[in-house]
Amino acid sequence: DGGITQSPKYLFRKEGQNVTLSCEQNLNHDAMYWYRQDPGQGLRLIYYSQIVNDFQKGDIAEGYSVSREKKESFPLTVTSAQKNPTAFYLCASSILDRGHNEQFFGPGTRLTVL
Amino acid sequence: AQSVTQLDSQVPVFEEAPVELRCNYSSSVSVYLFWYVQYPNQGLQLLLKYLSGSTLVKGINGFEAEFNKSQTSFHLRKPSVHISDTAEYFCAVSVDTGRRALTFGSGTRLQVQP
Repeated sequence: DGGITQSPKYLFRKEGQNVTLSCEQNLNHDAMYWYRQDPGQGLRLIYYSQIVNDFQKGDIAEGYSVSREKKESFPLTVTSAQKNPTAFYLCASSILDRGHNEQFFGPGTRLTVL
Repeated sequence: AQSVTQLDSQVPVFEEAPVELRCNYSSSVSVYLFWYVQYPNQGLQLLLKYLSGSTLVKGINGFEAEFNKSQTSFHLRKPSVHISDTAEYFCAVSVDTGRRALTFGSGTRLQVQP
């Protein structure tokens, strides 16, 4: 079955640690996105990538980093510089043809800082 | 830039009653419009989308939405809700240029009571 997988489902981080969230898709989509979800605030864009080896900052990129070495994979690293990382993180992907902006979402990773 | 306003943070409704979840958007260019549903601790699932053509869009699970360009609205409706419709609903917009990411509203919690 085609889709997007995220791992782990739950992640706990100590203060000062970097952690990496995995996102993999087998939909052959060119574009991939990372969103952060906080209660009552909807989803906010962290980073996005439209092609391998290229990515762009979204609206709340500070304290995060990404890589796009393969079309299928777009891992997100939450660094110690992110002051309030506790949130639900969602990865999404889409094709880039005009008029096809629908995004497909993974199941999410819930990150908690201890 | 685009923005989305979901006018109700919570909507309580009795089972088998009709429901309308309101969404207004702002954009200087033509947009694509989406409604997603999120069940607790899960990713987002697409309910329906408006790309072009008929302004009345039918989606999954008996939901429909009407695009009103003059009022910049895209309200979601269901004639008879079920307990299983209890979830968070997000309205989102995107455009064909630039980053193509979705801009989300803050969400509406639909609570269906027996």
